Amino acid sequence: EVQLVESGGGLVKPGGSLRLSCAASGFTFNNHTMNWVRQAPGKGLEWVSSISVSGTYIFYADSVKARFTISRDNAKNSLFLQMDSLRAEDTAVFYCTRVRFRAGSYYYMDVWGKGTTVTVSS
Amino acid sequence: EIALTQTPGTLSLSPGERATLSCRASQSVSSSYLAWYQQKPGQAPRLLIYAASSRATDIPDRFSGSGSGTDFTLTISRLEPEDFAVYYCQHSGSSLLTFGGGTKVEIK
Repeated sequence: EVQLVESGGGLVKPGGSLRLSCAASGFTFNNHTMNWVRQAPGKGLEWVSSISVSGTYIFYADSVKARFTISRDNAKNSLFLQMDSLRAEDTAVFYCTRVRFRAGSYYYMDVWGKGTTVTVSS
Repeated sequence: EIALTQTPGTLSLSPGERATLSCRASQSVSSSYLAWYQQKPGQAPRLLIYAASSRATDIPDRFSGSGSGTDFTLTISRLEPEDFAVYYCQHSGSSLLTFGGGTKVEIK
């Protein structure tokens, strides 16, 4: 079964750090670009970051640039998100997603984890 | 930076009715990179449509997508009880992804 399982969420004080993990199974992890997408309570979806297959290409939303770092370990089928200098507005459910991409043809997120909750509060 | 505007914000319909959801981009985008997702309360989003009009695996044919340029539409031909949810359009650019604000389809 194709599956993504996030972990590492929790309660952290403003200015603190947290590292999210996403364990992939049931597919060839190193064939796929991966994304983090978040959703603040009662709000819509917000893309956070993307990492290409080999980690060569990495992109961030302006709202997290210079504070968050995405990485992956293909040998361990794992995706990570290091979050530093956390703010109250980073409070959200964070989803790990698998990307299907073919230049000129399609780009979409076809597998989503159940999410892990990050709460930033004093 | 491309912005996606979804209208209406809320759509109140009865089971069996047709739902038409709009997604408008702030500038012309490639339909290849336009997708639609469904999200139910307490659940992760689910892919419905990719490349503007291609149904994802196991998505019923009552869901269809269309459009090009700046205007895209998700149509649910006959609403089933399980279709009442929030729907998001999403575009993938060269270095960033954008979601629309969502349309909630609620039971009238």
